[in-house]
Amino acid sequence: AQSVTQLGSHVSVSEGALVLLRCNYSSSVPPYLFWYVQYPNQGLQLLLKYTSAATLVKGINGFEAEFKKSETSFHLTKPSAHMSDAAEYFCAVSAYYGGSQGNLIFGKGTKLSVKP
Amino acid sequence: IAGITQAPTSQILAAGRRMTLRCTQDMRHNAMYWYRQDLGLGLRLIHYSNTAGTTGKGEVPDGYSVSRANTDDFPLTLASAVPSQTSVYFCASSPDKRAGELFFGEGSRLTVL
Repeated sequence: AQSVTQLGSHVSVSEGALVLLRCNYSSSVPPYLFWYVQYPNQGLQLLLKYTSAATLVKGINGFEAEFKKSETSFHLTKPSAHMSDAAEYFCAVSAYYGGSQGNLIFGKGTKLSVKP
Repeated sequence: IAGITQAPTSQILAAGRRMTLRCTQDMRHNAMYWYRQDLGLGLRLIHYSNTAGTTGKGEVPDGYSVSRANTDDFPLTLASAVPSQTSVYFCASSPDKRAGELFFGEGSRLTVL
């Protein structure tokens, strides 16, 4: 069975500082991994995804994530935070591998605050 | 570009009432999903449908039912609402169950009193 754990329910950074949001996964098969962003009162939008190609994945809005099999991690980073990055971020792993359902399993989310 | 449309966007409901949340997509995606989002719990899968005419139970299906009569529509019904079903409900779709990437609607905020 697949699962994800997001470390830290709330992360606060200053504008211009590095953003690091942590995600560790558990999977008995090679995983597909995703990061989604949710702005207030909106649905989730895909930031980036890893599907067994390059281990460093670049997404929208300057975000990137690196798949590290040895650490079972898929941390999300951005070199310089912007005020508009304030949102909730969800890490997710695909539940499909011969199973009957192909949904994503989500972490509990990390709320990112950006201070001026 | 519509994508996924959910209705209503917000609803207050008395306990014991029946409620249907509507979800329509115009992307011709085969797979559709209903999640609920609760503070501190993230998103949890309620029901899913891999293709029109089929449905399956997710992690938290009790008290909910779905149908998938055609590709575009995937309504979620609460037969007799209870306060613990107060939540934000998201409908999502995917080209097929193996694709992984989900496309989300804007959500329906339901309050059961």
